[in-house]
Amino acid sequence: GAVVSQHPSRVICKSGTSVKIECRSLDFQATTMFWYRQFPKQSLMLMATSNEGSKATYEQGVEKDKFLINHASLTLSTLTVTSAHPEDSSFYICSASFQGYEQYFGPGTRLTVT
Amino acid sequence: GIQVEQSPPDLILQEGANSTLRCNFSDSVNNLQWFHQNPWGQLINLFYIPSGTKQNGRLSATTVATERYSLLYISSSQTTDSGVYFCAVGWGGSNYKLTFGKGTLLTVNP
Repeated sequence: GAVVSQHPSRVICKSGTSVKIECRSLDFQATTMFWYRQFPKQSLMLMATSNEGSKATYEQGVEKDKFLINHASLTLSTLTVTSAHPEDSSFYICSASFQGYEQYFGPGTRLTVT
Repeated sequence: GIQVEQSPPDLILQEGANSTLRCNFSDSVNNLQWFHQNPWGQLINLFYIPSGTKQNGRLSATTVATERYSLLYISSSQTTDSGVYFCAVGWGGSNYKLTFGKGTLLTVNP
C-alpha cells in the first residue's frame, strides 16, 4: 500500500518553455501533498505544501509564479515549471500523506532544461 | 527552523558488517522518518519512528525524543544496502513539514 507515482520520470525541455509534472497517490486519498527539489549529491528541500482544494503554501525563496502547484483532487497534484531556465534543472520529488504525519514519496522527475 | 544533523556523512563497509547511523535534531518534533534513497532516486520508507524502537529484518531504529536523536542500525550489511540514508523530522503543527538531514552515503563492498 501507500504507492505514489510521478509522470514523467524524465523530461528535457528548451529554455523558455513550461513543463508539467504529475504526482498521483494510487491506493489512498492524499489530504496533503508536498513538492521537493533535490540537486545532485544534496538533500531534499521542501518547495511547497498543498492541501486538496486549497492554494499551495510555498517555502521562503520559492517563486510561486514560477512553480505553479495545483491539487485539484485527493489523488492528484501537479507542479508546472513555467518559463523554465537551465538553473531549474533538478530532480523534483513529490510526497503524499493521509491525515497523518507519515509521508510516502514518488519516484521523482528529472528535469533538464537546455 | 529545525536543524537536522546526520553522521557519519560517508561510510564504507565490507559485506556482512554492522553499522549505526545517527540523526540529531535541534527541537521537539512530531515525527521522524528514515529513508533509503536508491541509485535511481526513489525514496524508500524504512521507519516512521517518532519515539521508541522498531525492527524490520536486518534494520532497526531507535528514537529518543527527549534527547533529540535517532539511530538506524544495519546488521549483516549487503551490497544492495548501498545508497544514501536520510533522516527527516516532522514539525510545525498546522503548517506541518519534513526537514531532511544531509544524509549518510553508505557503500557496501563485496
